[in-house]
Amino acid sequence: AQKITQTQPGMFVQEKEAVTLDCTYDTSDPSYGLFWYKQPSSGEMIFLIYQGSYDQQNATEGRYSLNFQKARKSANLVISASQLGDSAMYFCAMREGRNRGSTLGRLYFGRGTQLTVWP
Amino acid sequence: ETGVTQTPRHLVMGMTNKKSLKCEQHLGHNAMYWYKQSAKKPLELMFVYSLEERVENNSVPSRFSPECPNSSHLFLHLHTLQPEDSALYLCASSHSSGDSNEKLFFGSGTQLSVL
Repeated sequence: AQKITQTQPGMFVQEKEAVTLDCTYDTSDPSYGLFWYKQPSSGEMIFLIYQGSYDQQNATEGRYSLNFQKARKSANLVISASQLGDSAMYFCAMREGRNRGSTLGRLYFGRGTQLTVWP
Repeated sequence: ETGVTQTPRHLVMGMTNKKSLKCEQHLGHNAMYWYKQSAKKPLELMFVYSLEERVENNSVPSRFSPECPNSSHLFLHLHTLQPEDSALYLCASSHSSGDSNEKLFFGSGTQLSVL
């Protein structure tokens, strides 16, 4: 089974509007972390935001916020006031709890969503 | 200077060539990783080094050979590759706490084409 599912291969949004990128995850581990990364055409994966499974509040980082719905196992990324520079590939990822030596560094990634911001 | 630097940015090689990818991190991390990003697949973890010791080899063919001489440098040695090995190879680093909130810092990748 897929650990991370991103159902939107592509999304379009007009500049200055908000956009939501969907992500659902699958784990039986009570302790896990959820990440969003941005990958522009240059190739570098840029960390955007993190949400821990025990965090009571949704994470926010500037224009990025994470809509964390634990019961539904979803961790959608909301980008407010989109900018042309936001056009990129966006990846949702998950790491399960510690004390699992074999999972050090094992970030499970989704297939990504290509976001295009138009003027 | 960026935190994680990869060279070369682009590489074209024949199936009989031997080449190496290099990764260097300036973040004081003690864990380093190689990921493969193909066009039609999610990112695949290839190798993990923690404190210069390989802790994971994710069923990667032996034509890929990693080397981690110290906590700041990571290499991926390539030999007799196949066309299906063409992909973006990403290096990443992190602290090796193993905590679920440990985020990875990535380089810009090496775009590899095997002819």
